[in-house]
Amino acid sequence: DSGVTQTPKHLITATGQRVTLRCSPRSGDLSVYWYQQSLDQGLQFLIQYYNGEERAKGNILERFSAQQFPDLHSELNLSSLELGDSALYFCASSVGVAYNEQFFGPGTRLTVL
Amino acid sequence: AQKITQTQPGMFVQEKEAVTLDCTYDTSDPSYGLFWYKQPSSGEMIFLIYQGSYDQQNATEGRYSLNFQKARKSANLVISASQLGDSAMYFCAMSPDTPGGFKTIFGAGTRPFVKA
Repeated sequence: DSGVTQTPKHLITATGQRVTLRCSPRSGDLSVYWYQQSLDQGLQFLIQYYNGEERAKGNILERFSAQQFPDLHSELNLSSLELGDSALYFCASSVGVAYNEQFFGPGTRLTVL
Repeated sequence: AQKITQTQPGMFVQEKEAVTLDCTYDTSDPSYGLFWYKQPSSGEMIFLIYQGSYDQQNATEGRYSLNFQKARKSANLVISASQLGDSAMYFCAMSPDTPGGFKTIFGAGTRPFVKA
């Protein structure tokens, strides 16, 4: 158990819908990262927050947004969902902003029908 | 362009033998971190080992060691005394210090199959 929690574990929804994925980092970690893992794209970095501020942005679609709250938990919002958004979404956390190992949560499996 | 290359999609390994998983990377940033993660069939991502670009010595963590050759831009993972439980997908990753922040890049992964 990495200490990072993600909810829900599974999510099934329809195209055009909006969902919110939630992540709680390990105690003491200030950075939260979001990743998308799909069969065709592999593991893709989406976005990083450090102590409530956005620090790095990767291949995140405009339909996706994220935030980190004062209690350091983070949410990833996915809207206008398409079939291609079906993937495993990981949250990870680390102590610092860089040069730290990232500890991954169990992931949220999103299926868009 | 930032890139991680893992060219061994699958391989068979004899139990108790050592195995080397190849990883080459490309970055123009002088400062970066290199990581290896294990993903078993259950799906979770498990951190194995970390190497900083300025670290003089190769990183080791138990049965895992990272063979870091900076000039060749390679960061191979060596697993000693392979166990059946080592059968999994292994990802090499890099976090370069770019102007836009540290954006971790993952390779496509390598899957060793450990046989008894």
